[in-house]
Amino acid sequence: DTGVSQNPRHKITKRGQNVTFRCDPISEHNRLYWYRQTLGQGPEFLTYFQNEAQLEKSRLLSDRFSAERPKGSFSTLEIQRTEQGDSAMYLCASSLGVKGGNTIYFGEGSWLTVV
Amino acid sequence: GQNIDQPTEMTATEGAIVQINCTYQTSGFNGLFWYQQHAGEAPTFLSYNVLDGLEEKGRFSSFLSRSKGYSYLLLKVLQMKDSASYLCVRRDSNYQLIWGAGTKLIIKP
Repeated sequence: DTGVSQNPRHKITKRGQNVTFRCDPISEHNRLYWYRQTLGQGPEFLTYFQNEAQLEKSRLLSDRFSAERPKGSFSTLEIQRTEQGDSAMYLCASSLGVKGGNTIYFGEGSWLTVV
Repeated sequence: GQNIDQPTEMTATEGAIVQINCTYQTSGFNGLFWYQQHAGEAPTFLSYNVLDGLEEKGRFSSFLSRSKGYSYLLLKVLQMKDSASYLCVRRDSNYQLIWGAGTKLIIKP
């Protein structure tokens, strides 16, 4: 399978715990994105990387959220001291540049439930 | 979604045609995408428009009018598997994607 893969697919955690999600993008894609999506809403942009550089971070992303892409390949998204409001699907996507019709391709998402 | 308007829900009949409209803020416009998202799954790419006109791809077509800030997705010969949310996505001049909340399409037999 050469698509974007994410794991774990589902995570249930207690409030206050830390969680980490991993994303492996399509291998030749240099851009990697993290989005969050709640029921009935479109994806909300969180952050993106161009290779290993984190170029933009949404104001939605509090200090409890951190993302890394150390070698320009896979990425991790960590949420510290989780809150119930963090419950959502976290989507990773990748693209080959941004010009023209270069689309972004999504992974299957990681569902987070904070109890 | 920020400055993107599309209907929340639509219902159509199997075998019929449905048009899902989307209006968006025109300033800084740099492309319009449509994505399909089945419940509990990630969005998948359907179409891309940057110039005015109609792009046809099988049963799906997408139309764009830049001056009006308007796009539509046309689905023909509807199948039950087309029941999904359809997300209108505007790209701005900084190549950022602004996502609509999606239109939930319900197909009835």
